[in-house]
Amino acid sequence: NAGVMQNPRHLVRRRGQEARLRCSPMKGHSHVYWYRQLPEEGLKFMVYLQKENIIDESGMPKERFSAEFPKEGPSILRIQQVVRGDSAAYFCASSPINGNTEAFFGQGTRLTVV
Amino acid sequence: QKEVEQDPGPLSVPEGAIVSLNCTYSNSAFQYFMWYRQYSRKGPELLMYTYSSGNKEDGRFTAQVDKSSKYISLFIRDSQPSDSATYLCAMSGEGNQFYFGTGTSLTVIP
Repeated sequence: NAGVMQNPRHLVRRRGQEARLRCSPMKGHSHVYWYRQLPEEGLKFMVYLQKENIIDESGMPKERFSAEFPKEGPSILRIQQVVRGDSAAYFCASSPINGNTEAFFGQGTRLTVV
Repeated sequence: QKEVEQDPGPLSVPEGAIVSLNCTYSNSAFQYFMWYRQYSRKGPELLMYTYSSGNKEDGRFTAQVDKSSKYISLFIRDSQPSDSATYLCAMSGEGNQFYFGTGTSLTVIP
């Protein structure tokens, strides 16, 4: 049973470009969470999605960031017009049922904005 | 005040030692408590998951939750060099997100 799959593992973007981060949850999991980790900081919640629904996006910046989890295919975290401050590790986690159960993380996408 | 406080360390112990890692929190609504291990440039790996107060043991790992003191611990017995990593505590209540500590860096010296 494959774990949470994230790609790409590393992504370099120039300022102003768009970054698209993909996450395929574990088999049987329909709940996806995105977190951002900055150096020397803990993981910060961004958004929680179920298939075709955004349940909680309270941690996501209001501008430039969006997320989706379509009926078919992986969850996508999209960052438009990236800036240097967006450089971070972005982790996706999935769980089998709502919220407060074990969540399993992927290996992350390390975004570098140059 | 942060939701979750965790001493960043670094913590360095000899092989075979008992390691104690701790977190405190401020939100009395937290009921679900987790410990993750994260190796450098890797994703967090779930080690322990507990609900409410009490102890849970899994091999060399023991998780303790004291809700009255808002204090959780992870004990590692017979520590091994392969245990060298950053340990993250995480917790949640009725909401949808987990709140993480900043992590404690552990080095086990052979």
